[in-house]
Amino acid sequence: AQSVTQLDSQVPVFEEAPVELRCNYSSSVSVYLFWYVQYPNQGLQLLLKYLSGSTLVESINGFEAEFNKSQTSFHLRKPSVHISDTAEYFCAVNTLGAGSYQLTFGKGTKLSVIP
Amino acid sequence: NAGVTQTPKFQVLKTGQSMTLQCAQDMNHEYMSWYRQDPGMGLRLIHYSVGAGITDQGEVPNGYNVSRSTTEDFPLRLLSAAPSQTSVYFCASRPGQPDSPLHFGNGTRLTVT
Repeated sequence: AQSVTQLDSQVPVFEEAPVELRCNYSSSVSVYLFWYVQYPNQGLQLLLKYLSGSTLVESINGFEAEFNKSQTSFHLRKPSVHISDTAEYFCAVNTLGAGSYQLTFGKGTKLSVIP
Repeated sequence: NAGVTQTPKFQVLKTGQSMTLQCAQDMNHEYMSWYRQDPGMGLRLIHYSVGAGITDQGEVPNGYNVSRSTTEDFPLRLLSAAPSQTSVYFCASRPGQPDSPLHFGNGTRLTVT
């Protein structure tokens, strides 16, 4: 069975500072990895995903995540955050293989950007 | 293109009452699912469906029923509401391939008193 651990429940950071949101997963088989973002009073939106190929994936709004198979991690980073990045971020893993359609989420990290 | 539509947005129930949370998608997605979101718990899967007529249990199915009579609709039924079911409920869908991202509705906030 797969599981996802987000190491920080809350991360405060000053505007224009860099940020890293950490995510580790456990799975016995190859995985697909996702980061979702949830703005207040909204549903979740896909931020970026890793399926295969290059281990560094990027989103359209400046976030990037790096898949590290040996450390089973998929940390999310942004070199300079904006006030509008304030939201809750969820890491999720979906395993490859027949019969397994379940996407497992971490417990979320609340990013607060301080002016 | 409406995407995933959930109704109602808010609901208050008394313990023991029943109700149905509605979910509809217009993207012809094969896979649909229900999650509940509780503070500090992330999202937990309740039930899911890989196509019309096929449903299966997720991590926390007790107290909930689902059916999938059409591709578009995936209602979630609470048979006898309990305070422990106070939560925000999200419906999500995607194409059949597991590498496709989920598309989420805006949620239903349910309070059981």
